[in-house]
Amino acid sequence: DSGVTQTPKHLITATGQRVTLRCSPRSGDLSVYWYQQSLDQGLQFLIQYYNGEERAKGNILERFSAQQFPDLHSELNLSSLELGDSALYFCASSVEPQGLYEQYFGPGTRLTVT
Amino acid sequence: AQKVTQAQTEISVVEKEDVTLDCVYETRDTTYYLFWYKQPPSGELVFLIRRNSFDEQNEISGRYSWNFQKSTSSFNFTITASQVVDSAVYFCALSELGQGGKLIFGQGTELSVKP
Repeated sequence: DSGVTQTPKHLITATGQRVTLRCSPRSGDLSVYWYQQSLDQGLQFLIQYYNGEERAKGNILERFSAQQFPDLHSELNLSSLELGDSALYFCASSVEPQGLYEQYFGPGTRLTVT
Repeated sequence: AQKVTQAQTEISVVEKEDVTLDCVYETRDTTYYLFWYKQPPSGELVFLIRRNSFDEQNEISGRYSWNFQKSTSSFNFTITASQVVDSAVYFCALSELGQGGKLIFGQGTELSVKP
């Protein structure tokens, strides 16, 4: 158990809908990362937050947004969902924002868009 | 641009064989970090090792060992006396100082260890 929690574990929704994925980092970790894992794109970095502020952005679609709250949990919002958004979404956390330490990953949320 | 290549898509071995998973990386930075993660069939990503670009010393942890060679931009992972529980997808990843710690992953190598 990495100490990172993600809810829900599975999510099935229809095209055009909006969903919110939730992540709680390990105790003491201030940095949260979101990654998407799909068969065609592999594991891709989406976005990073550190202590409530956005630090880095990857290949995140404009339909996606995220935030980190004062209690350090983070949410990833996916809107106007398309079939191609079906993937496993991981949250990871680390103690600092520069990659000096390893990231610990949550169990993931499997999103299926029908 | 940064890139990680794991040329072996799938490897199949018989239990107790040794197996090496290859990882080649590209970066322009002098300070960077290399990682290996394991993704078992259950789906979670498990951290195995982190190495910084200034430490080329090889590392051994039980049946696992890692060989980091800057001259060939490689960070290979060897499992000695493989076991069925080693069956998983293994990912090599790179992060560069100043890039916010984001991980650039290779495509992964699926290792199947048969009894």
